[in-house]
Amino acid sequence: IAGITQAPTSQILAAGRRMTLRCTQDMRHNAMYWYRQDLGLGLRLIHYSNTAGTTGKGEVPDGYSVSRANTDDFPLTLASAVPSQTSVYFCASSVTGEGTDTQYFGPGTRLTVL
Amino acid sequence: GQNIDQPTEMTATEGAIVQINCTYQTSGFNGLFWYQQHAGEAPTFLSYNVLDGLEEKGRFSSFLSRSKGYSYLLLKELQMKDSASYLCAVTDSNYQLIWGAGTKLIIKP
Repeated sequence: IAGITQAPTSQILAAGRRMTLRCTQDMRHNAMYWYRQDLGLGLRLIHYSNTAGTTGKGEVPDGYSVSRANTDDFPLTLASAVPSQTSVYFCASSVTGEGTDTQYFGPGTRLTVL
Repeated sequence: GQNIDQPTEMTATEGAIVQINCTYQTSGFNGLFWYQQHAGEAPTFLSYNVLDGLEEKGRFSSFLSRSKGYSYLLLKELQMKDSASYLCAVTDSNYQLIWGAGTKLIIKP
């Protein structure tokens, strides 16, 4: 693989269910990010990780959790999905966590919570 | 609060030139990015400006004025494939990236 992959591509989920969105990068980037993108609102940061073993909260972290056990993987978990979490989710990575680095995005996961 | 403003939508004609503006009010400034996002796809990097002036990259150019809190993306010789959303993002004093909502550019033949 080259770049960032995300899985699944799309998912329809019943409210209250637990769901993990997967993200893997092979660029050995230190920093990784999870965004959600909703029409008219642009990209909003959910959680980030500047290096393996550390995570931080973004603008809209409630209802989501992340882990960073190694450099390559950064899964996002919705513990109990709600309809307001219907969105397109993008994972991204950059060489460092400084905001001056270019971010590279995965193809996205389209999630619908009913 | 921190704010980035871009027009919601613009329309231009194939072969023409279009300028997409971005104004920002952020707590400090450490650079400005432009990304392109085709419908249903991921954003991809276009340009990065940290100093005032114009950066040219083929048909695309990006301008920055830090004193005015203003940037624009200039697209020349428009092609149908340039139909996309263009996202402006600013790095603030805490090195956090603040994203605008994006400008949807529609190219007509």
